[in-house]
Amino acid sequence: DGGITQSPKYLFRKEGQNVTLSCEQNLNHDAMYWYRQDPGQGLRLIYYSQIVNDFQKGDIAEGYSVSREKKESFPLTVTSAQKNPTAFYLCASSYGPEAFFGQGTRLTVV
Amino acid sequence: RKEVEQDPGPFNVPEGATVAFNCTYSNSASQSFFWYRQDCRKEPKLLMSVYSSGNEDGRFTAQLNRASQYISLLIRDSKLSDSATYLCGGGGGSNYKLTFGKGTLLTVNP
Repeated sequence: DGGITQSPKYLFRKEGQNVTLSCEQNLNHDAMYWYRQDPGQGLRLIYYSQIVNDFQKGDIAEGYSVSREKKESFPLTVTSAQKNPTAFYLCASSYGPEAFFGQGTRLTVV
Repeated sequence: RKEVEQDPGPFNVPEGATVAFNCTYSNSASQSFFWYRQDCRKEPKLLMSVYSSGNEDGRFTAQLNRASQYISLLIRDSKLSDSATYLCGGGGGSNYKLTFGKGTLLTVNP
């Protein structure tokens, strides 16, 4: 089945630890995106990548890092510099203008 | 100013009602616009793309007004199953950046 896979679905992290969220797609899409969603809020863009080995900061990139070494993969690292990391993280990919989302990862800092 | 601004809602309507959602966008270079539906604790799913000529899919009609930088979604004869959060998004162009409004929660009541 083609699609976008995010893992894990739920993640718990201790304060001060870095954590990496996985996003893999087998749709052969060029562009990939990471969004953060807080309760009752819309999607805020963290980072996006148009092509392998290239990515741009979105609107809330501070405290996050990404890499795009392969077309299929766009992992997001939430660093200890991110002060309020508890949120729902969504990865998306697109070939043309329309984006398709993974099922998301719920990150909780404990 | 946010790139995409959306009616905050929430909207509570009876079954059978017609409901309209509106968004404005600030980046005149944006090429493509969309409406997504998001159910509680799930990922957003593409509902409709929005074209200048307008497009209709059953009970759903989407419109784009480039002169006013405004997009809309009309739901006719609303059903209980239409209850969800509706997100407008826009982007594309040369940099692939895709941003979303905060979403509007719709509750259709029996």
